[in-house]
Amino acid sequence: AQSVSQHNHHVILSEAASLELGCNYSYGGTVNLFWYVQYPGQHLQLLLKYFSGDPLVKGIKGFEAEFIKSKFSFNLRKPSVQWSDTAEYFCAVKGAGAGSYQLTFGKGTKLSVIP
Amino acid sequence: DADVTQTPRNRITKTGKRIMLECSQTKGHDRMYWYRQDPGLGLRLIYYSFDVKDINKGEISDGYSVSRQAQAKFSLSLESAIPNQTALYFCATSDPQGREQFFGPGTRLTVL
Repeated sequence: AQSVSQHNHHVILSEAASLELGCNYSYGGTVNLFWYVQYPGQHLQLLLKYFSGDPLVKGIKGFEAEFIKSKFSFNLRKPSVQWSDTAEYFCAVKGAGAGSYQLTFGKGTKLSVIP
Repeated sequence: DADVTQTPRNRITKTGKRIMLECSQTKGHDRMYWYRQDPGLGLRLIYYSFDVKDINKGEISDGYSVSRQAQAKFSLSLESAIPNQTALYFCATSDPQGREQFFGPGTRLTVL
């Protein structure tokens, strides 16, 4: 069974600090990987995704993530956070095959950015 | 962008009541999903449907049922609501290859 582990439940940073949120997954095959963001009171929005190719993926709002296959990891990074990045972040994994439908989410990491 | 819409957005109901949450999409996707989100647990899959005649249980289907009335509509029902079904419910669709999912705005359900 596939699973996703997000290392931090709640991260508190000051504005301009660098961010790295950890994500490790368990799946016995080729994967598609995602980071979603949920701003307070809003729905899930896709930040970035990895299907294949360059393991360093750039997303919206200055976020990026690196897929390290040997470590089963897909960590999210941002060099300088802003107060508006305060949100909950979810990592998700899905098998890459056409018959794979199950998108499995991590439990989420809350990010609080202090002005 | 309102490609995936959900109604109602908020609902308060009482234990034992039947309630239906509705989802509509204009993306033309065949695949649709229902998730619930609980604090600290992330999103968990309740039901999914690959087309109008294909409905499947997810990891937490007990206490829920679904109906796929058309390609664009996928409804979630709680036949007899209980307080531990208080949660945020999301509908999603995915592209034909099933690679990416697109989420609706969510329905916040409170069962008293």
